[in-house]
Amino acid sequence: DAKTTQPPSMDCAEGRAANLPCNHSTISGNEYVYWYRQIHSQGPQYIIHGLKNNETNEMASLIITEDRKSSTLILPHATLRDTAVYYCIVRVPVRSNDYKLSFGAGTTVTVRA
Amino acid sequence: GAGVSQSPSNKVTEKGKDVELRCDPISGHTALYWYRQSLGQGLEFLIYFQGNSAPDKSGLPSDRFSAERTGGSVSTLTIQRTQQEDSAVYLCASSVTAKNTEAFFGQGTRLTVV
Repeated sequence: DAKTTQPPSMDCAEGRAANLPCNHSTISGNEYVYWYRQIHSQGPQYIIHGLKNNETNEMASLIITEDRKSSTLILPHATLRDTAVYYCIVRVPVRSNDYKLSFGAGTTVTVRA
Repeated sequence: GAGVSQSPSNKVTEKGKDVELRCDPISGHTALYWYRQSLGQGLEFLIYFQGNSAPDKSGLPSDRFSAERTGGSVSTLTIQRTQQEDSAVYLCASSVTAKNTEAFFGQGTRLTVV
């Protein structure tokens, strides 16, 4: 029941910015967009989340379109260690105000030297 | 602890045996989630706890799967009469509450049923 669409894979060059797109056209007005990544053989790692405004932290930036139907995760200076599967997630309500993360297939990002 | 801890990290069991997988969430986190990831696949939601209560068990694949959480802390996922299709990495995550899904994941338990 994932609500997002991402390209299955993308390559980027080491040292360059990586821009990862995500479509979430059915997102409701009060739903956050979350990004996680999973490096091979590890558990998923939280990256960033946002609602309407653009967000930035030490790992990445998140740009959300004004209509909130899509967003872009930006890794400003990709390194080889950023090679991972990146998941764009709109959380799913399970009861009242409880939510779960519903993971789709994600985007496999390969950073090349 | 500093992070979510899962044990064992690897488990090989014979078909038909029962297994217990353990998850120690981050101290103070009231929400705990179990996911399963088969080889080369995405994460499949199994169950979550808010405190000791599991409001949604619909993700459990069959009645051979059960989970409990005591004292609002440690959780155990039990698989009875294991089958080969149960082979997967079982991931646990915790968050401050189930309203806040900035979840922190453990490294997982790799279960192999032979």
